[in-house]
Amino acid sequence: DSGVTQTPKHLITATGQRVTLRCSPRSGDLSVYWYQQSLDQGLQFLIQYYNGEERAKGNILERFSAQQFPDLHSELNLSSLELGDSALYFCASTATGELFFGEGSRLTVL
Amino acid sequence: GQNIDQPTEMTATEGAIVQINCTYQTSGFNGLFWYQQHAGEAPTFLSYNVLDGLEEKGRFSSFLSRSKGYSYLLLKELQMKDSASYLCAVRDGFQKLVFGTGTRLLVSP
Repeated sequence: DSGVTQTPKHLITATGQRVTLRCSPRSGDLSVYWYQQSLDQGLQFLIQYYNGEERAKGNILERFSAQQFPDLHSELNLSSLELGDSALYFCASTATGELFFGEGSRLTVL
Repeated sequence: GQNIDQPTEMTATEGAIVQINCTYQTSGFNGLFWYQQHAGEAPTFLSYNVLDGLEEKGRFSSFLSRSKGYSYLLLKELQMKDSASYLCAVRDGFQKLVFGTGTRLLVSP
């Protein structure tokens, strides 16, 4: 158990819909990262927050947005969903170096 | 741009030694990580190198040469449970952790 909690674990929805993925980082970790992993693909960096502020941005689509709240939990919002958005979405947190990953949220868009 | 290269797939036999190579070109460098990922599961941390040289941790060792943009992960006394993907990741100058596509290792009896 990494200490990072992600909900929901599984989500099935239709094209055009909007979903929100939630992440609670390890206790005390200020930094949260979001990654997308499509089938048999590597981890694609989406976005990073540090203590509520956006710190770095990767190849995140305009249809996607994220935020980190004062209690340090983070949410990733995916809208106007397309079939290609089906993937595992991982959240990870860190204090000083190594990332600790949650179990991921598996999104299936039908 | 950012580029991290690893072999796509490797095979080895139980009890053997395998070396997984990683080359990188990134905008700045603030450390290199190796993670293990079993299919459908979260990546788990294996090792971290920020200075040149070898870091040893049990059956796993990781080497870094910053001047060559090169690292390897060495796995000794392979076990069946070591069958997994091994991900090389570099923390760049903007503190982003950029992952390679991973090397799928298959350990056979």
